[in-house]
Amino acid sequence: RKEVEQDPGPFNVPEGATVAFNCTYSNSASQSFFWYRQDCRKEPKLLMSVYSSGNEDGRFTAQLNRASQYISLLIRDSKLSDSATYLCVVNDPGRRALTFGSGTRLQVQP
Amino acid sequence: EAGVAQSPRYKIIEKRQSVAFWCNPISGHATLYWYQQILGQGPKLLIQFQNNGVVDDSQLPKDRFSAERLKGVDSTLKIQPAKLEDSAVYLCASSLDRGEPQHFGDGTRLSIL
Repeated sequence: RKEVEQDPGPFNVPEGATVAFNCTYSNSASQSFFWYRQDCRKEPKLLMSVYSSGNEDGRFTAQLNRASQYISLLIRDSKLSDSATYLCVVNDPGRRALTFGSGTRLQVQP
Repeated sequence: EAGVAQSPRYKIIEKRQSVAFWCNPISGHATLYWYQQILGQGPKLLIQFQNNGVVDDSQLPKDRFSAERLKGVDSTLKIQPAKLEDSAVYLCASSLDRGEPQHFGDGTRLSIL
């Protein structure tokens, strides 16, 4: 089983739609979780951290479910500029390093 | 705040040649990472430095890859000799401390002919 698993997509949605991505992780000891965004041929950029209580930043909401070992990202009112690959990132407490998923590609269409 | 600087942006070499990449992290960041990102995959950690010490190089192919961060600031990653499967983007990242959110440089796109 991969350490961090994501549906590669692509998710093709119209502007204004709500879209959700899930990510599962295998290490139950993981404590830190992040979503990164990566545009085509660009470097990954931190989108948001994921807290146990969930967190919201504008149109973006992240949730953590420790019991089922998954995290989610919800994007409301999708914009064309949201088109990118979204990387789920989980810490490996033993190595104190981050493990990246392969990413979920989102394409928002006019 | 200046971001993570990497050079070169692009490099094309033939297999069996050598190549080196340079990274200057964000000022004050103790932890520096080198990642390999193959097309269609997420970044894979190659090596992690805490100041000038290696804390994790478990996924570094040590027969051909080497890295150093001698003064605890900038770092170099070398591949010698290169293989076709080394074609990838090499990303450098830094963070204030281990486990903290990481900030990435633009990466070096390496093509092996």
